[in-house]
Amino acid sequence: DAGVIQSPRHEVTEMGQEVTLRCKPISGHDYLFWYRQTMMRGLELLIYFNNNVPIDDSGMPEDRFSAKMPNASFSTLKIQPSEPRDSAVYFCASSFRHLAASKGGRDTQYFGPGTRLTVL
Amino acid sequence: AQKVTQAQTEISVVEKEDVTLDCVYETRDTTYYLFWYKQPPSGELVFLIRRNSFDEQNEISGRYSWNFQKSTSSFNFTITASQVVDSAVYFCALSESQGGSEKLVFGKGTKLTVNP
Repeated sequence: DAGVIQSPRHEVTEMGQEVTLRCKPISGHDYLFWYRQTMMRGLELLIYFNNNVPIDDSGMPEDRFSAKMPNASFSTLKIQPSEPRDSAVYFCASSFRHLAASKGGRDTQYFGPGTRLTVL
Repeated sequence: AQKVTQAQTEISVVEKEDVTLDCVYETRDTTYYLFWYKQPPSGELVFLIRRNSFDEQNEISGRYSWNFQKSTSSFNFTITASQVVDSAVYFCALSESQGGSEKLVFGKGTKLTVNP
């Protein structure tokens, strides 16, 4: 089975440009997460969706960041305008909550390969 | 607030040595989930194990083993007879059950280097 797919794998852009990162979750998963990884801050959750609905966007750093999930198989993370401090690796992850099996708790998040973003 | 501490920033061992990576967590929930992920030099995050707070049994998977102790809020990871391919950054993570949040909180990671 295909895992989480992210594109592009690498993105180099200039400050002020719009950047769009894409993610295709594992088929059948009902949760989708966007994370950012930097040396300074480690892995940070930016936003997550359940059944295509944004549930918690408290980690989105500022209004320049936006995320959408128009359907169960596709999500985007957009940065407009981009700044050099946005340079990081952005990961998408997905999971499926097995309510019956895990007492209503957490199932495993599976991560995509990441997009390495460099803003010059 | 939930917190995960991986006190060892970097560890270096020689192949075939055993190595233990420490993870200490803080949570107020009685139901929670603990995870370990591996991030090899290629950059992807690979799931290794998931444990819930009701299951304190230690787990072994090949050369990997995990020791979960609620009394000390620790979930340590041991690699037996380490190999060069084990070189990676290893992350411990915590997810709480109450409140309906799906958030995973990660530790800062431990970089393991296994030298030939």
